[in-house]
Amino acid sequence: NAGVTQTPKFQVLKTGQSMTLQCAQDMNHEYMSWYRQDPGMGLRLIHYSVGAGITDQGEVPNGYNVSRSTTEDFPLRLLSAAPSQTSVYFCASSYIAGASTDTQYFGPGTRLTVL
Amino acid sequence: GQQLNQSPQSMFIQEGEDVSMNCTSSSIFNTWLWYKQEPGEGPVLLIALYKAGELTSNGRLTAQFGITRKDSFLNISASIPSDVGIYFCAGQNTPGQAGTALIFGKGTTLSVSS
Repeated sequence: NAGVTQTPKFQVLKTGQSMTLQCAQDMNHEYMSWYRQDPGMGLRLIHYSVGAGITDQGEVPNGYNVSRSTTEDFPLRLLSAAPSQTSVYFCASSYIAGASTDTQYFGPGTRLTVL
Repeated sequence: GQQLNQSPQSMFIQEGEDVSMNCTSSSIFNTWLWYKQEPGEGPVLLIALYKAGELTSNGRLTAQFGITRKDSFLNISASIPSDVGIYFCAGQNTPGQAGTALIFGKGTTLSVSS
């Protein structure tokens, strides 16, 4: 298994540009999520999905859109990039195990700079 | 929303020393997790704790789920240079339901000198 993969690894955008961060997992996990990591802030949840066709907002959703057309893929879209979105973005996935928990596995991250 | 207070923020230790870090919360969690992040990488799970009072080891790492379900600690014994990184605690509630998410602490940066 490749686990959780993210592309690109690095990206520089100009203010107002749009782009999509890609995330894919090959573990048949139902739950996928996007976090951003900023210095001194830890990781904060942007959006998540509990299965294909189902998405919801996390703690910091503004400025980001997501969709989940397949179990494997969970792209994150920035429609009009702003400097405040300069961050490192992590995708994570896990099983939804009902009454028992399961742990999230993280991708390697995308480092985004918005000028 | 829920917040985790993780301490210390950073540690500078000598190789061979033991390390202890902890997380506290104002509300309870059903699960506590400890992750390590190395530069340029995503967080990697070290230990998962599922029951209050649970003490779990992974090699030189030991973590405990506090009895009150509002805290957890991570100990690293006999530190080595490759222990360098940022350690995050994370709490999780009601797994499997919509809205389930990991709440992360702000991390403990560990530096080990040989």
